[in-house]
Amino acid sequence: AQSVTQPDIHITVSEGASLELRCNYSYGATPYLFWYVQSPGQGLQLLLKYFSGDTLVQGIKGFEAEFKRSQSSFNLRKPSVHWSDAAEYFCAVGLLGNEKLTFGTGTRLTIIP
Amino acid sequence: DAGVTQSPTHLIKTRGQQVTLRCSPKSGHDTVSWYQQALGQGPQFIFQYYEEEERQRGNFPDRFSGHQFPNYSSELNVNALLLGDSALYLCASSPGLSREGSETQYFGPGTRLLVL
Repeated sequence: AQSVTQPDIHITVSEGASLELRCNYSYGATPYLFWYVQSPGQGLQLLLKYFSGDTLVQGIKGFEAEFKRSQSSFNLRKPSVHWSDAAEYFCAVGLLGNEKLTFGTGTRLTIIP
Repeated sequence: DAGVTQSPTHLIKTRGQQVTLRCSPKSGHDTVSWYQQALGQGPQFIFQYYEEEERQRGNFPDRFSGHQFPNYSSELNVNALLLGDSALYLCASSPGLSREGSETQYFGPGTRLLVL
């Protein structure tokens, strides 16, 4: 069965520190990969996506993610976090011709001064 | 360029009642998907509509039904509400199949449903 795992439920990072959020997937084929961010009480905003090509993709708000096929991972990174980055982050996976997205359970990011 | 809009923003119902949630897709999009997000969980796919037909369905009972109108807007209906139906209901839109960008979904702000 298709699945997405975000092993970290909650991460706390100091403002200005670097960030890495983990995402692992289990799919029969190379999927489309997405990271979304959700602020409290809000919908989901697309940060970035990977379909093919360069395995390092750039997104909005200074985020980037790296696709590693051998590890079935798509980790999200940011070199220096800002207080406004505090939110819930979701990794999602889709397949060509099957536009249903499967989401992980999310990682809540807390930023401390 | 308006994004995905949903109404209402909040709703309170009692067990056994029926509810209808509405969604207008992003301009230029003709495919609408619905997701349920329970508290502390990731969104779960309910179903997707394209060309006014239900194209794909997740693991949700028949109490959950939908409709898509000729202008591509969509409704989600839930009958015989249960306490467990309390959740944030998210609508997402995307360009139609075989069109560029069809794999990327853009989400609305959601409708928060509370069932008492």
